[in-house]
Amino acid sequence: EVQLLESGGGSAQPGGSLRLSCTASGFIFSDYGMSWVRQAPGKGLEWVSSISFNDGPTYYAASVKGRFTISRDGSKNTLFLQMNSLRAEDTALYYCAKEYFTAIPGYKPDAFHMWGQGTMVTVSS
Amino acid sequence: QSVLTQPPSASGTPGQRVAISCSGNSSNIGSKTVNWYQQLPGTAPKLLIYSNSYRPSGVPDRFSASKSGTSASLAISGLQSEDEADYFCSAWDDSLNGVVFGGGTKVTVL
Repeated sequence: EVQLLESGGGSAQPGGSLRLSCTASGFIFSDYGMSWVRQAPGKGLEWVSSISFNDGPTYYAASVKGRFTISRDGSKNTLFLQMNSLRAEDTALYYCAKEYFTAIPGYKPDAFHMWGQGTMVTVSS
Repeated sequence: QSVLTQPPSASGTPGQRVAISCSGNSSNIGSKTVNWYQQLPGTAPKLLIYSNSYRPSGVPDRFSASKSGTSASLAISGLQSEDEADYFCSAWDDSLNGVVFGGGTKVTVL
C-alpha cells in the first residue's frame, strides 16, 4: 500500500524558514516524480513544486521560486521542501503527491496519483 | 484568479447527470492533457481522471471526462450522495512552465 507521510509543518514568522518532509513507502520511490501541492484554508489547490524521479529537473511555481527548494533522498525514500523567506500568503496545508506515471526522460509533472494527508504551515507574526 | 476556469458550483438530485467544465488556453488544455481530482470534505484530493479521460483503478465508471480544444469537461452520471465534494481540473502550462489548477467546483447533491 502506497503511503505518504508529511511532517515538519508548524508556525513561523514572516521571513522565517521551515523544512517539510514526506516519507514514502509502498512503491519504488526512485521510479516516480514527486510534487508538493498546497491549499490555503478554504481555498483551492495550488501547485508548488515538483522534482524528477532521478533527482533531475525541478520545477517551481512563480510564487515560490527563489524561496523554496525541493529535493529528495532516495536512500531514505523522503521528499523535502525547504521553505525560506516565508510570507503570510504561504499559510496553507501542504500535501506531497506521487505521480501516476513512472517517470521518463523529459519528465514534467502531470497527474498526481497518491497524496499524503498534509502538514499545516502557518506564517504569522 | 485561477488559470483554468471552473464554475464555482454545480448541483443535481440523486441519479441525475452533472457536468463540470474547465476552460483554459492553448498553453495548457489546448496542448496538454487534463487531470481531474475529487476532494471530499476534510480529506486529501484523489485522482479521478488522468490523461483527459482515463480512470485510475477503483474509480467508478460513473465518472467520465473529455477534452475539446481549450476546454475539458467532467461528467458524473447517476449522481450519488457520496459524490458531494469539490472537483478540480489541472494541466501543465507551457507558458508558465508549471502545473495549473482550476479554482474548483463544489458539487452538491440535492
